[in-house]
Amino acid sequence: EPEVTQTPSHQVTQMGQEVILRCVPISNHLYFYWYRQILGQKVEFLVSFYNNEISEKSEIFDDQFSVERPDGSNFTLKIRSTKLEDSAMYFCASSVRRMNTEAFFGQGTRLTVV
Amino acid sequence: DAKTTQPPSMDCAEGRAANLPCNHSTISGNEYVYWYRQIHSQGPQYIIHGLKNNETNEMASLIITEDRKSSTLILPHATLRDTAVYYCIVRVENTGTASKLTFGTGTRLQVTL
Repeated sequence: EPEVTQTPSHQVTQMGQEVILRCVPISNHLYFYWYRQILGQKVEFLVSFYNNEISEKSEIFDDQFSVERPDGSNFTLKIRSTKLEDSAMYFCASSVRRMNTEAFFGQGTRLTVV
Repeated sequence: DAKTTQPPSMDCAEGRAANLPCNHSTISGNEYVYWYRQIHSQGPQYIIHGLKNNETNEMASLIITEDRKSSTLILPHATLRDTAVYYCIVRVENTGTASKLTFGTGTRLQVTL
């Protein structure tokens, strides 16, 4: 069964450092998403991406965040200067179309900022 | 997107049907009902979705009331591996809006022996 793959599974970084979280969506999917979940809290939407541009972003997704699809397979989330409060599980998801369809989630990257 | 209300927790004996309710009394005509689950901080997993008709797949059944103000997710024969947080999400779908999912706090289902 096709799956969304995320790497690394766990990343520890120093406050102020840049991190890049990587995702390989399902190959025929066109819509891509990042969500995050702070420990013990809800899953929160960050950004959606389609046709090489951001479709929607939440208030969380400020100038410190960026997304990119550098080639035909990878989808990345960059945090420019990490803060302690960026510590969370980050989930990538993809779907074949925008509506009336399921989104497939990866297993997540646990980001710990120290 | 319409707000949903779910009980915070439920228990179910293994092998029995688990019936998870969801209220979405402010749902509008172009909003679909989606169910996802999350097993112990893994990525959310899609279960099923529907607009107004009842739906069934290999995982579950979705029963939506005629007025669409509530729905029930049915796991017909719950197993220990079904222990998870179940999210009922109502999402507006038309060509002019984004397709994000707005997760609430869900129902924590504990399946016991």
